[in-house]
Amino acid sequence: GESVGLHLPTLSVQEGDNSIINCAYSNSASDYFIWYKQESGKGPQFIIDIRSNMDKRQGQRVTVLLNKTVKHLSLQIAATQPGDSAVYFCAETYTGNQFYFGTGTSLTVIP
Amino acid sequence: NAGVTQTPKFQVLKTGQSMTLQCAQDMNHNSMYWYRQDPGMGLRLIYYSASEGTTDKGEVPNGYNVSRLNKREFSLRLESAAPSQTSVYFCASSDLFAGSPLHFGNGTRLTVT
Repeated sequence: GESVGLHLPTLSVQEGDNSIINCAYSNSASDYFIWYKQESGKGPQFIIDIRSNMDKRQGQRVTVLLNKTVKHLSLQIAATQPGDSAVYFCAETYTGNQFYFGTGTSLTVIP
Repeated sequence: NAGVTQTPKFQVLKTGQSMTLQCAQDMNHNSMYWYRQDPGMGLRLIYYSASEGTTDKGEVPNGYNVSRLNKREFSLRLESAAPSQTSVYFCASSDLFAGSPLHFGNGTRLTVT
């Protein structure tokens, strides 16, 4: 999973497999969480978000799970494709205006 | 739909030079942000503007100034660039109170020699 200030974690998966990327967030008061995808040379791209009153939210091929008890967030990508190769990171906010970002996990999809 | 547009895409400065990074959004968002991204670190907030006419410091404001020119535009100025400001700078916007996540531009890669 992600940790602030450490080497970027990496995850390699076979094309077609499911991927799970984890994130530990820091503040139990955080009430809004977002997953971003960042490809090389581009800005972060919104994938999916979830509010603290939910445990799970699904999008197209992606699911976010929120465990407030242990302050853990995960992103599941179904049937991972080569185009999913990127850095993924989570963001949390509790101030309403300031987001705090993890350092990210680098996902490599092996064809 | 352009979203968030940043200029320039690349810039090289000498120590002590000044420059302004430009950002514009066309999503009618109230809030705009400037972040920097350095290897091994998460995005760090430099300044933000919760609404037109207001600006506030973020986590790493030293050496930077900002101007919220109007609802669409939010600029970041380096008055006297230092090598420690070598980074990738991202502008973002959101309508947070309407439940909108941050939407980012594609960044400005700045090198200070």
